[in-house]
Amino acid sequence: EPEVTQTPSHQVTQMGQEVILRCVPISNHLYFYWYRQILGQKVEFLVSFYNNEISEKSEIFDDQFSVERPDGSNFTLKIRSTKLEDSAMYFCASKDSIDQPQHFGDGTRLSIL
Amino acid sequence: GQNIDQPTEMTATEGAIVQINCTYQTSGFNGLFWYQQHAGEAPTFLSYNVLDGLEEKGRFSSFLSRSKGYSYLLLKELQMKDSASYLCAVRDRRSGGYNKLIFGAGTRLAVHP
Repeated sequence: EPEVTQTPSHQVTQMGQEVILRCVPISNHLYFYWYRQILGQKVEFLVSFYNNEISEKSEIFDDQFSVERPDGSNFTLKIRSTKLEDSAMYFCASKDSIDQPQHFGDGTRLSIL
Repeated sequence: GQNIDQPTEMTATEGAIVQINCTYQTSGFNGLFWYQQHAGEAPTFLSYNVLDGLEEKGRFSSFLSRSKGYSYLLLKELQMKDSASYLCAVRDRRSGGYNKLIFGAGTRLAVHP
């Protein structure tokens, strides 16, 4: 069964550094998402992306965050200057059409020191 | 605003049936989803309801009453591997076709022999 893949599985970064989290959505999917989950808390929406542009973003997704689909397969989340509170599990998700469920990748655990 | 409530923890016995409830209050509703999440792993899609009634998928069933803002996930013939968190998520109609998911905090289910 096709799946969403994310790399790396774990990223450790110094506070203030830039980090890029990578995702390869399922190949025929058109809608892409990033969510995060701080340890012990609920999954929170960050951003949705469709037709090569952001369709919606949450208040968490401030100017330090950006997303890109640089080619036909990758979907990346960049955090420009990381803060301690950015430490979380980051999940990428995709779906193929409006009514279908989102499928999640295994996540990247981001640890900011 | 958005509010999704589900019990924090439940326990059940192997082979039994368990029902996990979810109530929601949202400004725009376009479906309710259930995901399973093992510790440190990605949410895995289980079931969803857009219309009122029961949806059955093998050992898992999900029910929705839109007028009551209520859903439940029913797990039959419980197995030890069903020990996980179960996440209730509402699809937000106000997002249009991009449809972000708004998650509850999850119900941690422990299955005992």
